[in-house]
This record gives sequence, C-alpha cells and structure tokens, in this order.
Amino acid sequence: DIQMTQSPSSLSASVGDRVTITCRASQNIRSYLNWYQQKPGKAPKLLIYAASSLQSGVPSRFSGSGSGTDFTLTISSLQPEDFATYYCQQSYRTPPVTFGGGTKVEIK
Amino acid sequence: EVQLLESGGGLVQPGGSLRLSCAASGFTFSSYAMSWVRQAPGKGLEWVSVIHVNGGSIYYADSVKGRFTISRDNSKNTLYLQMNSLRAEDTAVYYCAKDPIFLSQLGFDYWGQGTLVTVSS
Repeated sequence: DIQMTQSPSSLSASVGDRVTITCRASQNIRSYLNWYQQKPGKAPKLLIYAASSLQSGVPSRFSGSGSGTDFTLTISSLQPEDFATYYCQQSYRTPPVTFGGGTKVEIK
Repeated sequence: EVQLLESGGGLVQPGGSLRLSCAASGFTFSSYAMSWVRQAPGKGLEWVSVIHVNGGSIYYADSVKGRFTISRDNSKNTLYLQMNSLRAEDTAVYYCAKDPIFLSQLGFDYWGQGTLVTVSS
C-alpha cells in the first residue's frame, strides 16, 4: 500500500498568514492526490483534486501543487473559517485509497 | 442539492453485527460509485470499502475484509454496509462518500454527516 505522510501534524497561524502543508507519498503517484478540509464534528470536504484542481465552490485562496511524491496545499491568506484539519489522499494505486495523518491548523 | 444521510449506527457488543444505510438524493445514484470511509475517535480517515455503479466491482480494506459487506439498491437510492464480527477497533464514525469515477483522480466529492458505531461490552 502507498503510505501518505503529512507535515507538520499541527501548526499555529494568524488570520492573514500564508500557510503551507506538505504531503509526501511513499512512491510515485503522479498527480493522483486530493486534499480535504474537516472541521470538528463535520464530514470532510473536498478542496483540491488531481493535485491542483480547485473543487467547485472552494475559495481561490486554496491552491495545490506537486506531482510524483511531493505535494503542497497552500492557503494564501488564512481566514477564521479555515481553522480545521486538512488531509491528503492518494487515488493512484487503489485499492486501497490511503489518507495522510492530517494537519491541524490552529489559531495563534 | 446532493444529500447523503447515513443511519444504523449505535452501540453493539464485540462479535455483534450492525447494518449501516446511506440514503442518497439530489443526483443519479445509479451512475456513481460509492465508498464508506471511517474515522475512529480523535483519529484520521480510513477508507473501508467501495462499490461500482452496478455492484460489479467491490473492494475492501484489509482491516475489514471477510467481516464487512458493501451493497447497494439503486431502485431505493441506498448504499449499505453490513458489519459482522465487530471488534473494539471498528469503533468509529462511518461516512458514505460519493465517488465521481471509481477510485479516480477526482476524489470523493460529497460526504454524508456520518453515523457513530461503538463496539463495547
């Protein structure tokens, strides 16, 4: 199975900050990488698919980049509603689909 | 509006069984693959199972293989997960998720609100 490793596992940031979250795959997954946002007590929400495509309705301050084994989710200017946990997920060699361990973005 | 509504969760003893349902609306259910994803309390996401549009292709995570059975009734727009021989480590919130193209690059674009399964004596 392909292992997905996210870093950091948590971070503290202020409103307006630029935030970057990294996801590394244990082998080449081309651009088969998706990003989700999850708020406490809520279901995950798809933000980015195919590494860099913005899901419909998602604000443009979210962006994704990368291919192969290294990927990045960037929030260009952190907003109060962006405090949440973010997960990456690979869909290249499936099954199984595998998720990263998550990155919790907290208020500084 | 796409809606996915899970039900059937609850408290069950180790070794017991439970059947989860996911009622879908707002899209052509019979045209999309569907998955179950679970999340243990305070933990990350774990994919559980997927079923193709007509049930012809089905896959499971190794952790549930032989114990869980996914199925669907396209006439009722409903997805199911039959869970047998439940263990404490199956305790989690179970989400159903819509899959635009069977485990593809497109991710899971809609999720239900989840139903909690607690396995405990």
